[in-house]
Amino acid sequence: SQTIHQWPATLVQPVGSPLSLECTVEGTSNPNLYWYRQAAGRGLQLLFYSVGIGQISSEVPQNLSASRPQDRQFILSSKKLLLSDSGFYLCAWNRGSSTDTQYFGPGTRLTVL
Amino acid sequence: AQSVTQLGSHVSVSEGALVLLRCNYSSSVPPYLFWYVQYPNQGLQLLLKYTSAATLVKGINGFEAEFKKSETSFHLTKPSAHMSDAAEYFCAVRETGTASKLTFGTGTRLQVTL
Repeated sequence: SQTIHQWPATLVQPVGSPLSLECTVEGTSNPNLYWYRQAAGRGLQLLFYSVGIGQISSEVPQNLSASRPQDRQFILSSKKLLLSDSGFYLCAWNRGSSTDTQYFGPGTRLTVL
Repeated sequence: AQSVTQLGSHVSVSEGALVLLRCNYSSSVPPYLFWYVQYPNQGLQLLLKYTSAATLVKGINGFEAEFKKSETSFHLTKPSAHMSDAAEYFCAVRETGTASKLTFGTGTRLQVTL
């Protein structure tokens, strides 16, 4: 069976510090991968997605970036965090077919102070 | 582009009462629609999905949704609410294209009272 992991689970960082959030998927190959942000009281905003190693598409211009160094690894980064980067970050994957479900990880709660 | 609208950011029902969470979609092609549930500080879990087969879709935890093309709706229902149903519910539509992206509604928080 497939599982998706995210770490860390929670993170408190000062403004201006760097960020690295990691997501890995087990039990499948060549998944589509997605990063979402959920701000307090708001819905899900798609930040980045990837359909293959090294292939990253950005949905929203901002100070975040994403990378996919391995088939089942997806990393969300920032060089300098802003207060507005606080939120709940969710990673998801699917097999890429039109009817396939996106499966979500447990999330990372990021607080920027 | 596809979009979904969830009417009512908060819905409160009594335990044992009918749950009705509304979702309307806009799509230029036959849509694929999803309902997810999110419990506090957790990821999203799929409740059910519509992929152009049966218009009445049954999901987990006793939930079901009916696809109505004439009304562009995909409302989520459950005949009898349980305290454990208290959570946030998201409707989503699959975007066209090869990346299988989803566009989510803003969510409806369901409160269940005794």
